[in-house]
Amino acid sequence: SQKIEQNSEALNIQEGKTATLTCNYTNYSPAYLQWYRQDPGRGPVFLLLIRENEKEKRKERLKVTFDTTLKQSLFHITASQPADSATYLCALDEGTSYGKLTFGQGTILTVHP
Amino acid sequence: DAGVIQSPRHEVTEMGQEVTLRCKPISGHDYLFWYRQTMMRGLELLIYFNNNVPIDDSGMPEDRFSAKMPNASFSTLKIQPSEPRDSAVYFCASSPGRNTEAFFGQGTRLTVV
Repeated sequence: SQKIEQNSEALNIQEGKTATLTCNYTNYSPAYLQWYRQDPGRGPVFLLLIRENEKEKRKERLKVTFDTTLKQSLFHITASQPADSATYLCALDEGTSYGKLTFGQGTILTVHP
Repeated sequence: DAGVIQSPRHEVTEMGQEVTLRCKPISGHDYLFWYRQTMMRGLELLIYFNNNVPIDDSGMPEDRFSAKMPNASFSTLKIQPSEPRDSAVYFCASSPGRNTEAFFGQGTRLTVV
């Protein structure tokens, strides 16, 4: 069956360190993968999109990698800050289903001062 | 643009009653998604539309759920009759096309007692 798994429910790190979140998928052939941030009581907010033919994408302190062989994406936040504390969700299209966007369960990141 | 607008923000209803959730997508967006979020199941895709046409409703839990998009600026998600297990936050999202980011509304928190 199709599955999107994010490495852990919760990740705790110290301010200034790099946070690394993992998104693994099975039985999908996504054309692209996205990462979102969700704060309590609010809807998810888009952060980055990476296409199947791209290995890496960067935006300020954020970096995403996409390995279609391993069926995995890594999401890095460098020089993390307490304000980065939130739930991070990966999402992918299903390749064969036009425009269908499916999300993982999310990882709750807490950055301690 | 004010973003994706959902109403109501909160809804409390009694079991057996009909519930209608409303969504106004961002003008010009071709895709509209309805998601349900719970602690146990995360963010689940219920149904999505492309140019007002339902493309995939395989996520709709059962016949009690129905969704319509009568025009490009309005969509509804109806639950009839509602049950306590329908309690969740329901999000509407829109996107300008495939391979692009989705913009989420603030969500409707539904409680069925």
